[in-house]
Amino acid sequence: NAGVTQTPKFQVLKTGQSMTLQCAQDMNHNSMYWYRQDPGMGLRLIYYSASEGTTDKGEVPNGYNVSRLNKREFSLRLESAAPSQTSVYFCASPSDRASSYEQYFGPGTRLTVT
Amino acid sequence: DQQVKQNSPSLSVQEGRISILNCDYTNSMFDYFLWYKKYPAEGPTFLISISSIKDKNEDGRFTVFLNKSAKHLSLHIVPSQPGDSAVYFCAASAGSNYQLIWGAGTKLIIKP
Repeated sequence: NAGVTQTPKFQVLKTGQSMTLQCAQDMNHNSMYWYRQDPGMGLRLIYYSASEGTTDKGEVPNGYNVSRLNKREFSLRLESAAPSQTSVYFCASPSDRASSYEQYFGPGTRLTVT
Repeated sequence: DQQVKQNSPSLSVQEGRISILNCDYTNSMFDYFLWYKKYPAEGPTFLISISSIKDKNEDGRFTVFLNKSAKHLSLHIVPSQPGDSAVYFCAASAGSNYQLIWGAGTKLIIKP
């Protein structure tokens, strides 16, 4: 039972390049989230998926797209990377238990855009 | 406009003593608060939470206190241990979608 897994762990891109960050969870949860974490700031929600087949924008969606491929997998795509997207990206899956706010996180992807 | 603020970027505490981490919030609609712990190169992990209907919640060495009138919560760790050295995030939620607003984190260093 791995929980939430993310690939890759590290990535360096040049401005304008594209890439897809992969996330998978084996907890059979309905929801999956993508966050970014920048120095001196809290985690900010990029996109979320409340259930298979649905996606919604979070606080900072510009420059990103997502795909909820199935219940397990939720990918984040940068079509044309910019230096402002240098960050650590976390995938999370909230618990399905009623009234539970707990979220389970992957280990993160450290992305540098030069 | 940060709705959840952790004003101390770092805190250093002697092993065995009490660690107190603070968090302030501005949105009076927040009704649930959580603390997460994060080690380097890992994702955050849930530590303890509190509902706005309570003013205290304990779990072993960890206690969270909520002062709604001051819009302030704190995490107490007693006694502090070397393994407690990590970044601690405060997070809050308002409404039924269970989405969280996060503070910037406080790095706790436990000195031997």
